[in-house]
Amino acid sequence: SQQGEEDPQALSIQEGENATMNCSYKTSINNLQWYRQNSGRGLVHLILIRSNEREKHSGRLRVTLDTSKKSSSLLITASRAADTASYFCATGAPGGYNKLIFGAGTRLAVHP
Amino acid sequence: NAGVTQTPKFQVLKTGQSMTLQCAQDMNHEYMSWYRQDPGMGLRLIHYSVGAGITDQGEVPNGYNVSRSTTEDFPLRLLSAAPSQTSVYFCASSYSGAVEDTEAFFGQGTRLTVV
Repeated sequence: SQQGEEDPQALSIQEGENATMNCSYKTSINNLQWYRQNSGRGLVHLILIRSNEREKHSGRLRVTLDTSKKSSSLLITASRAADTASYFCATGAPGGYNKLIFGAGTRLAVHP
Repeated sequence: NAGVTQTPKFQVLKTGQSMTLQCAQDMNHEYMSWYRQDPGMGLRLIHYSVGAGITDQGEVPNGYNVSRSTTEDFPLRLLSAAPSQTSVYFCASSYSGAVEDTEAFFGQGTRLTVV
């Protein structure tokens, strides 16, 4: 069963625009991670946000976490064609200390 | 530094055949795992290992076996392939089994088709 669920499933924007993806999860977490997957490739870690953090930045990425709503968002500012990829959130499985569970992902297309 | 290496990249099997997907990492990571990725379903955890000699089941373990005889290698075995196992398989490793706290490193994937 999936712990995190992203929305929207797909997002299409123009270069220079901002892209926002959301992740909702079902049970309490310690941390939440975001990953990117380029077409035909493995996943690459983007950022980890801890449950006691509300916001975290890394370059053009801004992640927020609202534990009361059990949700997180990933904002990519001033998007580029190279940002075209699928983005996944990941959390620990409910009751499973050694299991990292991924959502279904958001497919982002950035058009030049 | 090679990171996580998976072989083969592509494979076609006939129903009932067996095969082993190889995964090796050179980062001395204790934790390794296998996922399958199907359209619209994200990644689902098949099996994982917190160290040499220790393995456990994930969300979708049926039809797959694993072993971990060394820190570096974590092969995934399909004993009798079925069309439902057509998928893209990813191996991942991380420094520790506290996977919520630790970045996971992924291989490039193996695209498996069972006909």
